[in-house]
Amino acid sequence: QQQVKQSPQSLIVQKGGISIINCAYENTAFDYFPWYQQFPGKGPALLIAIRPDVSEKKEGRFTISFNKSAKQFSLHIMDSQPGDSATYFCAARGGANNLFFGTGTRLTVIP
Amino acid sequence: GAVVSQHPSRVICKSGTSVKIECRSLDFQATTMFWYRQFPKQSLMLMATSNEGSKATYEQGVEKDKFLINHASLTLSTLTVTSAHPEDSSFYICSASKGRAYEQYFGPGTRLTVT
Repeated sequence: QQQVKQSPQSLIVQKGGISIINCAYENTAFDYFPWYQQFPGKGPALLIAIRPDVSEKKEGRFTISFNKSAKQFSLHIMDSQPGDSATYFCAARGGANNLFFGTGTRLTVIP
Repeated sequence: GAVVSQHPSRVICKSGTSVKIECRSLDFQATTMFWYRQFPKQSLMLMATSNEGSKATYEQGVEKDKFLINHASLTLSTLTVTSAHPEDSSFYICSASKGRAYEQYFGPGTRLTVT
């Protein structure tokens, strides 16, 4: 059972555009929601994270929007660049400090 | 800070042999380390959680006798794939955390190919 659902599976955005990736969860016990960026053959790297008592967090070009009542959160990448092309995973943290990952979104930013 | 290394980065072994993968937290003490498996173009699946000095907790469906995990110190955890078979070929990634309230920092991964 997929605890965190992620969409879309793949995304193509023009350089300078906005990339939006969405995630949804069911378990209200999740208490922390990070986003990871992964390049081929590398481990995931933390991009930005949010706690459920906050509705939005912005760091540079990256913004997380969090809707606690809907149990949804999303990543927005503003002014998308070719170097942003990677696979993005949302995740949610459970009680044992374990992370449940979404299925991933392959982002391609075309020049 | 918060660097996690893995060794080797890639390994090829013959079917039936065992292979050990090391995960080290280089600049912090990790009370908890996690091992994940990732198939091509798929998500990370948690295999087991290990706390320093105690036995690892395995996720449902993960064979503890096949995937031996040791977390002997606050900076080192090892995953040994015993009697490896081609279906064990995968990308294995570890992560390390200082504790419940802290981030998980991921290693660069180890590509295992069993021939």
